[in-house]
Amino acid sequence: AQKVTQAQTEISVVEKEDVTLDCVYETRDTTYYLFWYKQPPSGELVFLIRRNSFDEQNEISGRYSWNFQKSTSSFNFTITASQVVDSAVYFCALRRNNAGNMLTFGGGTRLMVKP
Amino acid sequence: DAGVTQSPTHLIKTRGQHVTLRCSPISGHKSVSWYQQVLGQGPQFIFQYYEKEERGRGNFPDRFSARQFPNYSSELNVNALLLGDSALYLCASSLGSTNVSPLHFGNGTRLTVT
Repeated sequence: AQKVTQAQTEISVVEKEDVTLDCVYETRDTTYYLFWYKQPPSGELVFLIRRNSFDEQNEISGRYSWNFQKSTSSFNFTITASQVVDSAVYFCALRRNNAGNMLTFGGGTRLMVKP
Repeated sequence: DAGVTQSPTHLIKTRGQHVTLRCSPISGHKSVSWYQQVLGQGPQFIFQYYEKEERGRGNFPDRFSARQFPNYSSELNVNALLLGDSALYLCASSLGSTNVSPLHFGNGTRLTVT
């Protein structure tokens, strides 16, 4: 069975602080895909990144960076110099190979960035 | 280009009633998936449709059904509504069925069952 755990239910930071959102996953598959989505108050899930299980290179996109460590089954997300607009719920998700569009989501982390 | 559109945005129903939610995918996307998101939790997969055929089903009772039309739009139907069906229902579209392109989600339909 697949499982995604986001242990931090809520994080509060002050603007310009760096913040890391943790994601730990469980799967017996050797090929799988990991995702991060952002959900602002409007409700829409906004795609941020996809990583396949064979690519452990860390990725940076502007103020966002992702650290994928297969050895610890973790796929953590860091926001550098946080901004108020980063306030949202962030979800980590796992998809098995050939599982179509069936994603297993974690419970989400609510990030509040205060001015 | 328009994103994934869902209607209605909000809906209030009574226990035992039936509801139909609608979704139009991004132009060119042939796959539509439905997710249920209960307040405070992550989304849970309900169905995936591709080329009008069901390609995946999550752990939901038979009261939940869906279909996809020739124009790739989709409907999610829920019969005999229960209080526990109150949730945000999200529709997502993607180019294909088994490729790894990301899902594009709509804003959802918030269903309240009283």
